Amino acid sequence: NAGVTQTPKFQVLKTGQSMTLQCAQDMNHNSMYWYRQDPGMGLRLIYYSASEGTTDKGEVPNGYNVSRLNKREFSLRLESAAPSQTSVYFCASSEGPGLTYGYTFGSGTRLTVV
Amino acid sequence: AQTVTQSQPEMSVQEAETVTLSCTYDTSESDYYLFWYKQPPSRQMILVIRQEAYKQQNATENRFSVNFQKAAKSFSLKISDSQLGDAAMYFCAYRGNAGNMLTFGGGTRLMVKP
Repeated sequence: NAGVTQTPKFQVLKTGQSMTLQCAQDMNHNSMYWYRQDPGMGLRLIYYSASEGTTDKGEVPNGYNVSRLNKREFSLRLESAAPSQTSVYFCASSEGPGLTYGYTFGSGTRLTVV
Repeated sequence: AQTVTQSQPEMSVQEAETVTLSCTYDTSESDYYLFWYKQPPSRQMILVIRQEAYKQQNATENRFSVNFQKAAKSFSLKISDSQLGDAAMYFCAYRGNAGNMLTFGGGTRLMVKP
């Protein structure tokens, strides 16, 4: 099925460990995004990529890095995980900036840092 | 920066009845887009309805409709003939005309009683 695929779906890390969350979309969308979801705070933007080859910080970028590997793939890396990064992470894509349609979301990754 | 506020952390409705979820936002832009997303226990984010700010007519999608009050910066979601499958978290979201980011409210958990 067409859409946004995130891996893994669940992950437990120890404080200080690193990991990369993978995201791929097959809709030929130009823009991709990483959000985190915390209780009572909705979804907050970590980083986004308006088009292949560009990335920009969102609202909560500290502690994260991203790579837009190609048009399909956009990864999120935690270099040294902290308990404050325990959250549900969503990848999303859209056709491009300034368009009327909302995003297509992946199914999320539940990350626990102990 | 734009902010989106959902003042009802939880709402409850009887099956087949009507419920309205509230959303207010703050922006200095004149042209923008508003969305309601549904998140069931599966975590998937599902677009329910969208509204372009330049359109005076309120958007409708089957049992879902909005009451868009631009001057009041209010964007409420009405669910008619509520069904058990409507039980979920609902997020209101804002997207500026030139920007990439979706800004989300904190969410409203809707419970549907049989």
